[in-house]
Formats: sequence, structure tokens, C-alpha cells
Amino acid sequence: QSALTQPASVSGSPGQSITISCTGTSSDVGGYNYVSWYQQHPGKAPKLMIYDVSNRPSGVSNRFSGSKSGNTASLTISGLQAEDEADYYCSSYTSSSTQVFGGGTKLTVL
Amino acid sequence: EVQLVESGGGLVKPGGSLRLSCAASGFTFSSYSMNWVRQAPGKGLEWVSSISSSSSYIYYADSVKGRFTISRDNAKNSLYLQMNSLRAEDTAVYYCARDLGLLYSSSQLDYWGQGTLVTVSS
Repeated sequence: QSALTQPASVSGSPGQSITISCTGTSSDVGGYNYVSWYQQHPGKAPKLMIYDVSNRPSGVSNRFSGSKSGNTASLTISGLQAEDEADYYCSSYTSSSTQVFGGGTKLTVL
Repeated sequence: EVQLVESGGGLVKPGGSLRLSCAASGFTFSSYSMNWVRQAPGKGLEWVSSISSSSSYIYYADSVKGRFTISRDNAKNSLYLQMNSLRAEDTAVYYCARDLGLLYSSSQLDYWGQGTLVTVSS
């Protein structure tokens, strides 16, 4: 199972919006709505930010939103804040009943 | 409060074995699928294995199939990963993580432990 494709890095200024893409295939992202996004700060465990493509767990800011079109899912962060600087990973359920992660995207807040 | 605490990591020689444990608390462990996810130093996340709530369904990444065995003991609220024939490329922080689905597997992980480091080196 190949990793989902994410840009290696994105950046934005405080207050701006950024979008991170996550491209898979019809056997994972395109075939299921079990797409999730995780935030990871250095030295910390990942944190679930989005599940079922576009749902936010309790306690996650509404500045984080998710969507999907075809084989590509997207995470949008609006009103960028300094604390949003972190690595972000997408993930999807697969047709083999396994899970696959994206390679990760480093978000830099300028 | 949901807590997942991994243990059992350490330094092991290539070809050796190690057993990781994950102690769960704060939720009905027997109702949730559980997962192991690893992260090599400076690298991204890699899903390793999952086990359904009753151990009926078990899956592995191709990279560990035939070498690693996932198991659970619902009476002890514990998850395990038996790792055999370890290789240098298995060096990583290993995380225990809960699937958010109640009595079903969604491959979406809502709680994670702090991780335990496994180093495979001679």
C-alpha cells in the first residue's frame, strides 16, 4: 500500500488561510469517507483534527475544516495562528481493511 | 480520561525480538479496535497493525507481516505487539492508538499514547 501524497511543506502568515492536499486512489481516499487528519508538534504524539472527511472532534477549533473531491482530500486552516505550526498527516481506510498515512506536510507560520 | 501508556521499548540487536505493551484506561477497552502506528526518527507516520475489539479481525502492514503479531487481553485492558526478526528499519517510536469507532473499525485514531522507542542496532 503506497503512502498518500501530500506536499512536503506549506506556509502562511498569521490570519491567512492555507490548504493541504492529500491524494490517494479509488482504493483508499476516493472509495471511502474514513479520511482523517492529524496534527503533530515536535516530540509529541499525533492529535486527531478531522475525521470522516470533514468532522471535527470535540475541542478542535472550527478554524480547521476538511473536504474531499474524488481521490483528493484537503485540510484547510483559516485564521492561521502561531500554534498551528506543526506537521500534518492525512490518513485513509483502504480496500484491504488497512490504514494508510500521507507522507506529512510541515506547516510554517511566517 | 482516556489514557494509553506504552512500554517495552528499548535497544535490541538485528534479528532479535521485543514485546511492546499498551495499558489502556478511562474507557471500555473491549469495545474498541486498537492500532499500532510507528514513526522512524525524522520520518512520517506508518500504520503497523490493527486488531478488532474481540480480536476477530487482525491486519498488518506488508512491511511487518510475518514478523509482528498484535494481540490484546480485554480482561487486562492491554494491547500487545510481539516483534520478531527485527531489522534496522524497524527503529521507530511505536504508538498505541484507539480507533474512534465504537464496536466497528474506521481506521481513524482518536487517542494516542506517548510512544515507546524501539532501536534496532548491533
